[in-house]
Amino acid sequence: AQSVTQLGSHVSVSEGALVLLRCNYSSSVPPYLFWYVQYPNQGLQLLLKYTSAATLVKGINGFEAEFKKSETSFHLTKPSAHMSDAAEYFCAVSYTGGTSYGKLTFGQGTILTVHP
Amino acid sequence: SAVISQKPSRDICQRGTSLTIQCQVDSQVTMMFWYRQQPGQSLTLIATANQGSEATYESGFVIDKFPISRPNLTFSTLTVSNMSPEDSSIYLCSAGERSQYFGPGTRLLVL
Repeated sequence: AQSVTQLGSHVSVSEGALVLLRCNYSSSVPPYLFWYVQYPNQGLQLLLKYTSAATLVKGINGFEAEFKKSETSFHLTKPSAHMSDAAEYFCAVSYTGGTSYGKLTFGQGTILTVHP
Repeated sequence: SAVISQKPSRDICQRGTSLTIQCQVDSQVTMMFWYRQQPGQSLTLIATANQGSEATYESGFVIDKFPISRPNLTFSTLTVSNMSPEDSSIYLCSAGERSQYFGPGTRLLVL
């Protein structure tokens, strides 16, 4: 079975500071990994994805994530936080084959607060 | 990427009634899924909407409570049946191949 753990349900940073949101996964087969962002009263927007190509993945809005197999991690970073980054972020994993192909298992989410 | 729309965007319903949520994708996709997001929680997969066959439900979800239709490769519906206040959630559909794109969600409040 696959699972995702997001360390820290709330993260607070100052505007201009580094953003680091942690995600660790468990999967018995090579996974696909995703980061989504959810703004208040909106659906989920795909930030970036890892699908077994380059381990450093760049996404939208200046975010990037690095797949580290040895650490089973897929942490999300952004060098300089902006007020508009305040939202809830979800890490998700999916199987790459079989009957579970495409199904997403989500972490519990991390609420990012950005202070002026 | 796929653009996904859902109707209704929100609704307030009385207990014991049913609500059907529609999901439309702007292109043909093989995979469509329905998720539930309970208040303050993460997303949980309800079922896979299979085109031309019965939906595949996850543990804890049953067809009588959440019947799903998938008449073609761009459209699906989810019905929340015999609703109770515990069904108050955001219901989201997703679609795509290697990546899943999400609709805006349907915010349901059951009184």
